[in-house]
Amino acid sequence: GESVGLHLPTLSVQEGDNSIINCAYSNSASDYFIWYKQESGKGPQFIIDIRSNMDKRQGQRVTVLLNKTVKHLSLQIAATQPGDSAVYFCAEWKNRDDKIIFGKGTRLHILP
Amino acid sequence: DAGVIQSPRHEVTEMGQEVTLRCKPISGHDYLFWYRQTMMRGLELLIYFNNNVPIDDSGMPEDRFSAKMPNASFSTLKIQPSEPRDSAVYFCASSLWGEDIQYFGAGTRLSVL
Repeated sequence: GESVGLHLPTLSVQEGDNSIINCAYSNSASDYFIWYKQESGKGPQFIIDIRSNMDKRQGQRVTVLLNKTVKHLSLQIAATQPGDSAVYFCAEWKNRDDKIIFGKGTRLHILP
Repeated sequence: DAGVIQSPRHEVTEMGQEVTLRCKPISGHDYLFWYRQTMMRGLELLIYFNNNVPIDDSGMPEDRFSAKMPNASFSTLKIQPSEPRDSAVYFCASSLWGEDIQYFGAGTRLSVL
């Protein structure tokens, strides 16, 4: 079936280093992808999105890369800070009339 | 705007009791979503509304679950009767047509004993 999955359930990164969180998707028809951040006790919060006609999109300290050939999505966080500790979800959306599907999440742990 | 507001933040109840979760979407948003989050299954979409009309309830697990949206500023998710396996965090989210970003509330943590 169609699914959005994550390669690693937990990622530990030294403070100040760059973090890379990966995500695989199975439906080549998906045309919109979102990364959400969920801090403990809070709801998911939008970080950045990308459409299938793009390969890369940059935000403040974050970059999303999309490789449609291998159906892979990644979130890069530059100069990781303690406040980046959270669970990160990728989500897939085929079109506006369809449901968004969330992956199970990757926990990012920042080492001092 | 205060964002999506959910109440209560925590709910503890006994098996068999009725539970009602409440949500106030962001003013002006015309989509409202109810999600359930568990460790085992992650974030699951239960139902969503467009302009107060339920569009897709295929994620609602059983007839024990029901959701209503009587007006643009209020929605409820009801579980009757509740069971221990319903224990989870329930999120409400809203979005604006034309913008694909969903804004989530802080969630209701439900514990059914």
